[in-house]
Amino acid sequence: DVKVTQSSRYLVKRTGEKVFLECVQDMDHENMFWYRQDPGLGLRLIYFSYDVKMKEKGDIPEGYSVSREKKERFSLILESASTNQTSMYLCASSSTTGGWEQSNQPQHFGDGTRLSIL
Amino acid sequence: DAKTTQPNSMESNEEEPVHLPCNHSTISGTDYIHWYRQLPSQGPEYVIHGLTSNVNNRMASLAIAEDRKSSTLILHRATLRDAAVYYCILRDQRVTDSSYKLIFGSGTRLLVRP
Repeated sequence: DVKVTQSSRYLVKRTGEKVFLECVQDMDHENMFWYRQDPGLGLRLIYFSYDVKMKEKGDIPEGYSVSREKKERFSLILESASTNQTSMYLCASSSTTGGWEQSNQPQHFGDGTRLSIL
Repeated sequence: DAKTTQPNSMESNEEEPVHLPCNHSTISGTDYIHWYRQLPSQGPEYVIHGLTSNVNNRMASLAIAEDRKSSTLILHRATLRDAAVYYCILRDQRVTDSSYKLIFGSGTRLLVRP
């Protein structure tokens, strides 16, 4: 089974801190994603990456950056944490192989990091 | 993007079948119908997807209306572990600027009674 591991389940940080959220997948997937999930707003895509060192903005990239130096690892960075970034953060990965169109590859999610910014 | 409409919540008894409906009246010819679920305190989990024909896998079955304007996710025997939020999502099979992302609605919260 595909395993997507997020480094922390719970994290508490202070306003203005630089925060790193780490995600590792073990299935050699090309694509990796960062979402945030908020009550009433559902999941929203922050950034995604389709290859090492490649990144694309999602719907809400402001205040975030990402890093993908190795294929299996995708990091989300909050440059200067603010209280409105308190949320559940979900990492996902997907493959572009397997005979399916890229858009139909299932995304495999980690269990999330609940981040609180005080 | 084509939208989906699902009931906010449904209830079922354990070991009984569950039919979770989804309406997608503006679906386009290139949209696949995907289902994900999210168990409490976990990330979403892929369940099944289809285009026109009904689909079965080890987790569930997907029944798609002939006009494709609606679909139903079928859990043949609900267990307590199936209590989750179920999301019906449309994904364009063409590779477009937006085809990479999943657009989650509010989903259906399924409660399973012992």
